[in-house]
Amino acid sequence: GAVVSQHPSRVICKSGTSVKIECRSLDFQATTMFWYRQFPKQSLMLMATSNEGSKATYEQGVEKDKFLINHASLTLSTLTVTSAHPEDSSFYICSASLQGVAKNIQYFGAGTRLSVL
Amino acid sequence: GNSVTQMEGPVTLSEEAFLTINCTYTATGYPSLFWYVQYPGEGLQLLLKATKADDKGSNKGFEATYRKETTSFHLEKGSVQVSDSAVYFCALNTGFQKLVFGTGTRLLVSP
Repeated sequence: GAVVSQHPSRVICKSGTSVKIECRSLDFQATTMFWYRQFPKQSLMLMATSNEGSKATYEQGVEKDKFLINHASLTLSTLTVTSAHPEDSSFYICSASLQGVAKNIQYFGAGTRLSVL
Repeated sequence: GNSVTQMEGPVTLSEEAFLTINCTYTATGYPSLFWYVQYPGEGLQLLLKATKADDKGSNKGFEATYRKETTSFHLEKGSVQVSDSAVYFCALNTGFQKLVFGTGTRLLVSP
């Protein structure tokens, strides 16, 4: 159980276009989903926390107009990188936490590698 | 603030060697502690966890004990395999759901 699906796994786009990444909890309802960014050979940097039906909370230094997050249901959150530029190229990972007593455990998607040309 | 410090890698071992990856933390309150593993090109997988002092988390031959007195959560395995080659992340959570990660330690196991 506790499977998180992230799609697409890899995307290549032209500079100036927007890219949407989906994160789904397949077999549980996720009260909270998280979006991370990982640079090569570095740790994960939390970008934002999203709760179903409310606005995402962004970490300091993360542009909310650049990285649009929508959490429309308990099983789906999306991250849209708007007007992508080469510096946005990175590995983006989502995670979801369970409701209830196990809410401090996060289950991660497989990640999306974004390459902006 | 909350932080996690891991030993720098890479850690290079031969198959069947003993593994230790050190992790220490600084936190307010009583954090839960985690080890996550990331295989090449993939997301993170929860390897093991401990939620209170003296708890031992274990999975797939890996173990880590929550040591409050030394604020540590070192990862150990008695006999590593080539398939254990990955990046290992120590992390903590203080109950507000945010995970704080260490910088990760790359493990390379050769046959």
